[in-house]
Amino acid sequence: DGGITQSPKYLFRKEGQNVTLSCEQNLNHDAMYWYRQDPGQGLRLIYYSQIVNDFQKGDIAEGYSVSREKKESFPLTVTSAQKNPTAFYLCASQAAGGEKLFFGSGTQLSVL
Amino acid sequence: GQNIDQPTEMTATEGAIVQINCTYQTSGFNGLFWYQQHAGEAPTFLSYNVLDGLEEKGRFSSFLSRSKGYSYLLLKELQMKDSASYLCAVANNNAGNMLTFGGGTRLMVKP
Repeated sequence: DGGITQSPKYLFRKEGQNVTLSCEQNLNHDAMYWYRQDPGQGLRLIYYSQIVNDFQKGDIAEGYSVSREKKESFPLTVTSAQKNPTAFYLCASQAAGGEKLFFGSGTQLSVL
Repeated sequence: GQNIDQPTEMTATEGAIVQINCTYQTSGFNGLFWYQQHAGEAPTFLSYNVLDGLEEKGRFSSFLSRSKGYSYLLLKELQMKDSASYLCAVANNNAGNMLTFGGGTRLMVKP
């Protein structure tokens, strides 16, 4: 089945630690996105990539980094510079010329 | 920039009708989406409007007026399972059809 997979479902970060959230899609979509969602809030864009080996900062990129070495994969690293990382992280993909986003099931990141 | 506004919370009764409004200001408008999101889950697609008018899909309908920068989602015959957040999002063709989301409306359906 085609789809978009995020892992892990739950992740805990220690003080000063970098953690990486995985996002893989087999929909052959060109564009991929990372959103952050705080409790009771909407989705805020962290980073996006519209083509392999290229990505752009979204509205809240500070303290995060990404890579797009393969079309299928768009991992997000939450660095120690992100002082308030506790949130629900959603990855999404979009076909070229398409509008509808397809979402992964999300990763809940918490700080120990 | 883009600005999308929707009410933070709404409450309605099972079996009733509720209308969730969304207003937006954007350049390069290329359509408006409504997504449903249950707590701790991914958003699921409900509707997409790019032309003015009403789109009906079962119990859910969505309306768009581009001249007014306004949309609404209409939910009929409310069920308890409709308790969720409803996210309005606008696509911008000046940014590769990237979607910008509003803050979401938390709908609580009461018996």
